[in-house]
This record gives sequence, C-alpha cells and structure tokens, in this order.
Amino acid sequence: RKEVEQDPGPFNVPEGATVAFNCTYSNSASQSFFWYRQDCRKEPKLLMSVYSSGNEDGRFTAQLNRASQYISLLIRDSKLSDSATYLCVVRPNTGGFKTIFGAGTRLFVKA
Amino acid sequence: SAVISQKPSRDICQRGTSLTIQCQVDSQVTMMFWYRQQPGQSLTLIATANQGSEATYESGFVIDKFPISRPNLTFSTLTVSNMSPEDSSIYLCSVQTGQIYTGELFFGEGSRLTVL
Repeated sequence: RKEVEQDPGPFNVPEGATVAFNCTYSNSASQSFFWYRQDCRKEPKLLMSVYSSGNEDGRFTAQLNRASQYISLLIRDSKLSDSATYLCVVRPNTGGFKTIFGAGTRLFVKA
Repeated sequence: SAVISQKPSRDICQRGTSLTIQCQVDSQVTMMFWYRQQPGQSLTLIATANQGSEATYESGFVIDKFPISRPNLTFSTLTVSNMSPEDSSIYLCSVQTGQIYTGELFFGEGSRLTVL
C-alpha cells in the first residue's frame, strides 16, 4: 500500500463548479499535512497547509480527519487557472525532515 | 521563502554516461533535498544533502549511483552515474524553511533528463 494515496483523476469540471479531492495516508504517526499545486512542467508549490480544525483560504478549504487518516481539498467557483495537479503531502513525526508526496490529482477546468 | 536555481533545465544523454545537476539557493540552509519525479508519478526523495557530512540516502538509492556534493550552505550537486533509460526523469532540488514539521518546501524548476 502506498503511504499517500490519491485519486489520479483527471477531474474535468466547468468553470464555476465545486470540486473535491480526497487523500488517504497510511502512517498514523503523521504530523503535518499539506496540499501542493504543480502546474504542467513546473515545480510543485505550496497551496496550503492542513490543520486539524480545518482551514480555508479564499476558495480553497482543507479538512483533516486523523481518525480515518483522510485529507480533503475543496475548490469552490473553479477558475480556468485552477487547472493543475494537486499533490497531497504528509510529513511523519519520525525521520526528521522526510516528506511524502502523493502521486497527485489532475484537474482540468474548462470554459 | 527561498529561490532555487537548478541547471541544466534539461538534457539528453547517452546510456552509460553521467550527468551532474547543480542547485544554488539564495540563502543559507542546513539541509537540501534531491527528489526524482518519474512521468505520472509522485515525487520520491533520493537523499538529503548535509553540509559538512555525507548525504543520507533513502531506501533504493545508493551513493555510487547518485553521488551528492554539498560544499557549502547554498550549493549542492547531484550526479546521475552510468545512466540507463530507466533514469529518465525529472530531478528536483528542494529546501525547507521554517519548523521541522510544518515548514514549507521550495523547489527548483527541475532538471528533465532523457537517457537514450
């Protein structure tokens, strides 16, 4: 079983739609959680951290369920510019700086 | 934040040769990380480059294949040795700022390697 699993997609949605991505992780000792965004042929960049109480940044909402070892990302009012691959990222509390990436979920937002 | 310059951005190499990728950071950092991203796959950590000591390699990666240098706090190199087509991938240099568990990772633009 992979340490971080995501639905690879692709998700094809119209502009203005709401879309949700899910991610599960296998290491219950995981300490920190993130969503990174990777545009085509570009490097990954931090989209947002995921906090235990859930957090929101504009149109983006992240949720964490430690009991189910599950993370989600909700994008409201999708824009064409949201088209990218979204990487679920987990950092365990063992192994120091080691960070584990999911394979990513591809999103295409169409006009 | 951190700004990372990586070169070469891409290269096409012959089987059996070696390629060295350079990574320059605009600030001093304790640890630098080297990742590999194969087509359609997630990022996989190759090794952590520590200044003043040997790099720490992840399972499945060895120093003979991926020697790493870290001569100072702003620079590192990764060499892909005796390349085969299976080494065709994107190699990314990364640094982390902030706290050990919550800090943000910054990446270079990556080096896209094709081995013929």
